[in-house]
Amino acid sequence: GAVVSQHPSRVICKSGTSVKIECRSLDFQATTMFWYRQFPKQSLMLMATSNEGSKATYEQGVEKDKFLINHASLTLSTLTVTSAHPEDSSFYICSARRTGVYTEAFFGQGTRLTVV
Amino acid sequence: GESVGLHLPTLSVQEGDNSIINCAYSNSASDYFIWYKQESGKGPQFIIDIRSNMDKRQGQRVTVLLNKTVKHLSLQIAATQPGDSAVYFCAENAWPSSGGSNYKLTFGKGTLLTVNP
Repeated sequence: GAVVSQHPSRVICKSGTSVKIECRSLDFQATTMFWYRQFPKQSLMLMATSNEGSKATYEQGVEKDKFLINHASLTLSTLTVTSAHPEDSSFYICSARRTGVYTEAFFGQGTRLTVV
Repeated sequence: GESVGLHLPTLSVQEGDNSIINCAYSNSASDYFIWYKQESGKGPQFIIDIRSNMDKRQGQRVTVLLNKTVKHLSLQIAATQPGDSAVYFCAENAWPSSGGSNYKLTFGKGTLLTVNP
């Protein structure tokens, strides 16, 4: 299967600072990438859909100004958690899909964010 | 709508037994479904997929069954092994009813599978 690389895998930051998470598709071009958030023992919650060269589409209830998404190229999307607070601590996962309807999504290894 | 699991259902089986994991999906317009396996601290891994024009698909040791009438999916794992222990999610693919320009995957609650040696 295709490879999606997410970095960093773990990050600890102080409350009020910003954290950037990168998601790269290593061996295919991803016109669309997705960002999920997962709390312990819960399912993946879609936060936003990231489209190369255009603005991201955010799910209802997700703050656009807090979770900044940039998809500058066909292989890179970034999620920046701005002014992080302890309640933002979570497991963030990105995924990428090839163009097409019936295409599986490949997932990164996730980023464990802890805000102290 | 999207599903949020507050308490993961669990399934415990003996090594060598067959496992059946069930999933109910919410959107009758969903036309493509995927089963993922997630190990602790990692991202989901693809297991098997099925389109809505099929009711059964088989892979290596895994079979997915789709019942569109009752909006139900199941994943069958044959001869379950300790390495199969993980959380299993079904995901449904549909055009968002609220608009937007992308098909998106919505995840079900997940089931924690524990395989006892």
